[in-house]
Amino acid sequence: DIVLTQTPLSLSVTPGQSTSISCRSSQSLLHSDGNTYLYWYFQKPGQRPQLLFYEVSLRSSGVPDRFRGSGSGTHFTLTISRVEAEDVGVYYCMQTLELPRTFGQGTKVDIK
Amino acid sequence: QVQLVQSGGEIKNAGASLRVSCKASGYILTTYGLSWVRQAPGQGLEWVGWIDTNNGDTRYAKNLQGRVTLTADRSTNTAYLDLRSLTSDDTAVYYCARERRFDYWGQGTPVTVSS
Repeated sequence: DIVLTQTPLSLSVTPGQSTSISCRSSQSLLHSDGNTYLYWYFQKPGQRPQLLFYEVSLRSSGVPDRFRGSGSGTHFTLTISRVEAEDVGVYYCMQTLELPRTFGQGTKVDIK
Repeated sequence: QVQLVQSGGEIKNAGASLRVSCKASGYILTTYGLSWVRQAPGQGLEWVGWIDTNNGDTRYAKNLQGRVTLTADRSTNTAYLDLRSLTSDDTAVYYCARERRFDYWGQGTPVTVSS
């Protein structure tokens, strides 16, 4: 199974500052079709997860451009610029290169 | 618009069986696969299994193999998760999510298993 390791597991950020979350995969997520099947999700307490980025860097509808997904192969990064109070919650990476689907452990972001 | 609407919360005794439904609207269920994900209280997301809603092929998480069955009913545009021999470790919110992007999620079905 593909293991995804997120770091850090928690972050405390000053509003207006930038931060980033790393997601490392135990194997390359590049498919033979040329796509890389790494996704980012955001979950607020008591709510369902919502898609932020698909295939590393493709922004889902409605996601502010303060958010950026990047990376390739086995190393991926979610960057949040100008953090706002509404960004508080847990961020997960996930792979759909193969079954079983696997998630990172989650990174909890709060505001200082 | 696309929606996945799940059945309501359940309280079960240990050893009982569970069925959760996930009704798709705004698209034809069989045009996308479906995964199920669960989240125990205070924990992260755990993948439960996947179904090819077109041909019924399935794949399950190793730790649930033998207890879980996923099915899809094209006539009602609804997918189902069946979980047997429940234990307290199965207490979680269960979500269905549209493959491959998990771009749409059900609202979640809270399940409590009491021992």
